[in-house]
Amino acid sequence: ETGVTQSPTHLIKTRGQQVTLRCSSQSGHNTVSWYQQALGQGPQFIFQYYREEENGRGNFPPRFSGLQFPNYSSELNVNALELDDSALYLCASSFGTGAHGYTFGSGTRLTVV
Amino acid sequence: GQQLNQSPQSMFIQEGEDVSMNCTSSSIFNTWLWYKQEPGEGPVLLIALYKAGELTSNGRLTAQFGITRKDSFLNISASIPSDVGIYFCAGQLGNAGNMLTFGGGTRLMVKP
Repeated sequence: ETGVTQSPTHLIKTRGQQVTLRCSSQSGHNTVSWYQQALGQGPQFIFQYYREEENGRGNFPPRFSGLQFPNYSSELNVNALELDDSALYLCASSFGTGAHGYTFGSGTRLTVV
Repeated sequence: GQQLNQSPQSMFIQEGEDVSMNCTSSSIFNTWLWYKQEPGEGPVLLIALYKAGELTSNGRLTAQFGITRKDSFLNISASIPSDVGIYFCAGQLGNAGNMLTFGGGTRLMVKP
């Protein structure tokens, strides 16, 4: 059974650019949730995707968007990058939308310069 | 964004000592979860609590769901060097995509 895989592991972007982060969910899981973890802080919920549709969103602006594909993998897109977007982006998959069943990936470390 | 108040922020203890950390919130939650995160990894679930007053153990770890539904604590008994990491509490209300609200974390360091 493969776990949650995120790519890339590290990324450096320039302010104003756009970025796409990818997540492959664990086998048997159909729900993907994305979290942003700034340095020294706990993760913050961005949004969740279930059945290829957004199923709940945290306090993030519209330039944060996502997709879920028929194979349950997911993408997180961030437009017009700001310095404060520098963080570890975590993807978590689950079967169903209950958070207690989450398996987190190792994250993508995004640095905006 | 809103976070739970987790304390202490860090602890440096001797191997074999017991550890206690807690989490408080101004809002109620229906589920409390405790995670451990090690460098370069995502959080790993340690204990999940589903009912106010519930006390649950997982090996040397014990956690309780506060009776007011606004707090939770985690105890680690007889700490060992591999307990090193950052421990996060998280609360879940059950709406908005079942989002988790995380605490700021407790960094645990264990001296052999």
